[in-house]
Order: sequence, then C-alpha cells, then structure tokens
Amino acid sequence: DTGVSQNPRHKITKRGQNVTFRCDPISEHNRLYWYRQTLGQGPEFLTYFQNEAQLEKSRLLSDRFSAERPKGSFSTLEIQRTEQGDSAMYLCASSLRGSRWKYFGPGTRLTVT
Amino acid sequence: AQKVTQAQTEISVVEKEDVTLDCVYETRDTTYYLFWYKQPPSGELVFLIRRNSFDEQNEISGRYSWNFQKSTSSFNFTITASQVVDSAVYFCALSEASKDSSYKLIFGSGTRLLVRP
Repeated sequence: DTGVSQNPRHKITKRGQNVTFRCDPISEHNRLYWYRQTLGQGPEFLTYFQNEAQLEKSRLLSDRFSAERPKGSFSTLEIQRTEQGDSAMYLCASSLRGSRWKYFGPGTRLTVT
Repeated sequence: AQKVTQAQTEISVVEKEDVTLDCVYETRDTTYYLFWYKQPPSGELVFLIRRNSFDEQNEISGRYSWNFQKSTSSFNFTITASQVVDSAVYFCALSEASKDSSYKLIFGSGTRLLVRP
C-alpha cells in the first residue's frame, strides 16, 4: 500500500491524558499537512511541514498541541492534557512541494471521555 | 480572507434523481484552485476533481459534472441519476496559489447527501 497511512485509526482516552498520533506520508512527498475535523464540519488546517521544517501553524493549534517531523518522513501529532473539545478526526495529507494534489490518509478518530 | 460556503447541510433524494450540490467561495487571489472531495462513512476523503481559476470550462465525468462560474464565485457539483452508493458527505475546498504558498485547503462545512432506494 503506497498511500498515506495513519495510526491508530481510533483512540479513546480520558480527559487529561496525553495522546500521540502518527502519519506516514507517501514516500517521495516532502510536504505533510495535519487537519482536524469535528463532527458536522469540514476539515480545518492545523499545520504543515516541508521536509522536517514546520512552516505554518494555525491558531487552532494551542500550546497543548505539538507536531514533529524529525527526519522529514513520518510525522507525529501530540496532544497534551486532552480535553473533551479535542474529540475529532485528525487527518493527515501529503503532497509534493508546489503541487496542489494532496493525498489524504484515513484519519485518526479521537474520543476524549 | 478565504472562505467556502456550502449552504445545503443535508439533501435527500430518491435513487435516479439528479442532485446539485452548491459551493460558493470567497478569495482575493486571482489564481486559486477549487476541489470537491467525497467522504463516505469510512471517513477517508476521496478526491473527485480539481479546477484552477483560469479554466471555467465545465467538466463531466460519468454521472458527475461540475459548473464553475467565476462571475458568481460558484463551483457547483451535479450528480446525474443518483445511486445509493453516492450517499456521503461532499466537501468543496479552496486552495490559495501565491508564491511560497502552503497550498493548504480551506474546506466548506460539507453537504450530506442521502440517496434513498
């Protein structure tokens, strides 16, 4: 499978716990994006990387959120001290620089109880 | 600011009916791209079409067709002879195109289409 993969697909956690999601982009893609989709809404941009550099962060990305892409390949998104409002689908997408073609992964659905 | 509006929250049709999903966008860019994605219950976003701001030619792909009108800032999507498998949430999205752009997508809130047998 050469598409974008995300793990885990589902995560249930208790409020206050930390969670980490992983995204593996298509191998030759140097851009990686994170989006968040809450129930009944469209995906909202969180942040993106070009190689290992995080070039833009949305104001939606509070201090409790941190994303990394240490070697310019896979990326992780960590949420610290989760809140019920963090319950959402977290989508990852990848693309080549300069390309508007984005390939989305299946998403990680987070439920905070 | 960039914005995408999908005013139809939910549409319900009977199989074989034609249905049009509306999309209105706002942008100050003269060069931009518009997209439609389908999101079935499984959650994955499925790319349907991309259109750049310089190409107003309408497009047809099987039962799907798209009507892009810059004059009204609209990019509507029509499904002809709808089928139950078309039931999903459909998103319209806009991408900026300036130099060194992130090319991030701005999504509308989606239209849930239910096709009843």
